Amino acid sequence: NAGVTQTPKFRILKIGQSMTLQCAQDMNHNYMYWYRQDPGMGLKLIYYSVGAGITDKGEVPNGYNVSRSTTEDFPLRLELAAPSQTSVYFCASSYSNRGAKLFFGSGTQLSVL
Amino acid sequence: RKEVEQDPGPFNVPEGATVAFNCTYSNSASQSFFWYRQDCRKEPKLLMSVYSSGNEDGRFTAQLNRASQYISLLIRDSKLSDSATYLCVVNKNNNDMRFGAGTRLTVKP
Repeated sequence: NAGVTQTPKFRILKIGQSMTLQCAQDMNHNYMYWYRQDPGMGLKLIYYSVGAGITDKGEVPNGYNVSRSTTEDFPLRLELAAPSQTSVYFCASSYSNRGAKLFFGSGTQLSVL
Repeated sequence: RKEVEQDPGPFNVPEGATVAFNCTYSNSASQSFFWYRQDCRKEPKLLMSVYSSGNEDGRFTAQLNRASQYISLLIRDSKLSDSATYLCVVNKNNNDMRFGAGTRLTVKP
C-alpha cells in the first residue's frame, strides 16, 4: 500500500496562475481532507470530503476548489494563485470521521511569487 | 483566543530527561484529543490518542483534563530520536480537527 500520495512535492507559481494539487489514497478511506500549514501555525482545514461526490468547506476555503469523483482521488484546485497561498499543503485521509487516525501525504511546498 | 494553544518552545533537554507539554483548547464540546508528531519538513504522524482516564504508550503518557480544558504529553527518558514538533489536535466536530501550532522539542546528547 502506498497510503496517501501527493504530487507535486514542490511548485512555484506566478500570481494569477492556476494549478491542481493531486492527492490519491489506496486505503479505501471515505474521508479525505486538505490542510495548509503556514510557518509557526497549526494546520488549517481547507476542504474535506466524506465520500465520492460529496465535498464541504473547512476553515479556510477561499481561493480553492475541490472535487471527489472517486473514492481514491481528491484534487485541490487553485484558480488564481495569490502570494497568500504560499504554504505547505497536506492531503489526509481517514476511515472514520469520529476522531480516527489521519493518514497524511508527504506534502506539497507551494510558493506564489 | 486560539482554539488550540500550545507553548511553541523550543524545549531543549538532555538525553534521559523527562519533559512535559501542555495544550489548552477553547471549545468545551470537543470530543476527541490527539498528539501528533511532525519531523522537520515531513507530514504529521499520529503519536497517540488521549483518553479521559489518561493513557500510556511506552515512554509517553497523555492526560486529559476536561474541567480545565487542557491535555498534556509527558515523555520520559528522552531519546535523540524524540526531537520533533509535537502537535496537539482537538476534534471540534466529527469532520473538523483543529491543530495547535506545535511545541518544538530538541533532545541533546
